[in-house]
Amino acid sequence: KAGVTQTPRYLIKTRGQQVTLSCSPISGHRSVSWYQQTPGQGLQFLFEYFSETQRNKGNFPGRFSGRQFSNSRSEMNVSTLELGDSALYLCASSSGQGAGGYTFGSGTRLTVV
Amino acid sequence: GNSVTQMEGPVTLSEEAFLTINCTYTATGYPSLFWYVQYPGEGLQLLLKATKADDKGSNKGFEATYRKETTSFHLEKGSVQVSDSAVYFCALSFYSGGSNYKLTFGKGTLLTVNP
Repeated sequence: KAGVTQTPRYLIKTRGQQVTLSCSPISGHRSVSWYQQTPGQGLQFLFEYFSETQRNKGNFPGRFSGRQFSNSRSEMNVSTLELGDSALYLCASSSGQGAGGYTFGSGTRLTVV
Repeated sequence: GNSVTQMEGPVTLSEEAFLTINCTYTATGYPSLFWYVQYPGEGLQLLLKATKADDKGSNKGFEATYRKETTSFHLEKGSVQVSDSAVYFCALSFYSGGSNYKLTFGKGTLLTVNP
């Protein structure tokens, strides 16, 4: 069974640009969540999508957005990049129902210069 | 709000030593509790979980018991191996409306096991 796939693994962008990250969840999983991991702030929840609808949202500015497609794949977009957006972005999938755990991808390492 | 506090690292042990990583939480209600592990250059892997008070989660020799009275979920292993070297995260989430809500993580504890 394939795991959670995130692409690309590494990205270098310039301040002011925008970026799109992709996440393919485990087959059959309908929930995709996104987290930002930085040395200073640790792991912070960005948002969760379930069946193409945003179900939960963290405390991030509107520059951070996402969407989910009918095949449950999700994309996350960050516009007008700032240096502080440099982080590891992790995607997690779950069935979206029940009290099960989440399966994480390997992440996308974004560096903003 | 909800929060998770875990012991500051780094923790350095010799192989076969006993491991304890403390984790306490603050939450309104009764969350599900998790331990995740992150190896260098990788994402998070679910290590174990407990969904109600007095539940014990266990996996790969690791154990943690959900203690409602002390709001704790300490991770233990009787004999660590070099391959256990990683960062360990304690986390909580709530189950409501048919699903778990977002995970709230602790800051993580770096464990290094020397041969």
